[in-house]
Amino acid sequence: DAGITQSPRHKVTETGTPVTLRCHQTENHRYMYWYRQDPGHGLRLIHYSYGVKDTDKGEVSDGYSVSRSKTEDFLLTLESATSSQTSVYFCAISEPRGSDTGELFFGEGSRLTVL
Amino acid sequence: LAKTTQPISMDSYEGQEVNITCSHNNIATNDYITWYQQFPSQGPRFIIQGYKTKVTNEVASLFIPADRKSSTLSLPRVSLSDTAVYYCLVGLPNKAAGNKLTFGGGTRVLVKP
Repeated sequence: DAGITQSPRHKVTETGTPVTLRCHQTENHRYMYWYRQDPGHGLRLIHYSYGVKDTDKGEVSDGYSVSRSKTEDFLLTLESATSSQTSVYFCAISEPRGSDTGELFFGEGSRLTVL
Repeated sequence: LAKTTQPISMDSYEGQEVNITCSHNNIATNDYITWYQQFPSQGPRFIIQGYKTKVTNEVASLFIPADRKSSTLSLPRVSLSDTAVYYCLVGLPNKAAGNKLTFGGGTRVLVKP
């Protein structure tokens, strides 16, 4: 299994509070991603990173920010959590092999509840 | 974006073959097709990937017609442990495709005894 650790695994917070989720990898993969998963919506991409300090927005980036100061860590921050951000968040990593195929390796997920 | 469409759910019985078709009409020339499996409370995991024709590994086969506008994941002789949600993903995890890597709703497969 790919060495991906998400923390915290579970968190309950109140509306308006800041929340940071951490994704840590030991694979030295360049690419890292944050997804959210909600019933009926599959997995939606929030932000992604191609390397240290190189990040970009995904499909549902509003209300989220990310940072990647080290290869192994990718942080997802909700500056002011809202109930609509209650979800399961998954981190994924990949290491593209040239211009050919590549697969995503996922963490175990972080369940966030915003009351 | 290479939007994908899959059936919401499928039921099967142990020992049968399960075929799940994914439609991706606007697939780009460089896009690969990848299938993932997800169990409850776990992250998705890679099953198989292909570009055209047929790919087979130890757990599944992937059939892709010449026009590449759809693909079919085939799970031979399923068991109860194959009960999961299956997602198809069109694109590649590289810098050019990064913001296209959004999954569809997935297909929930229930294998019955």
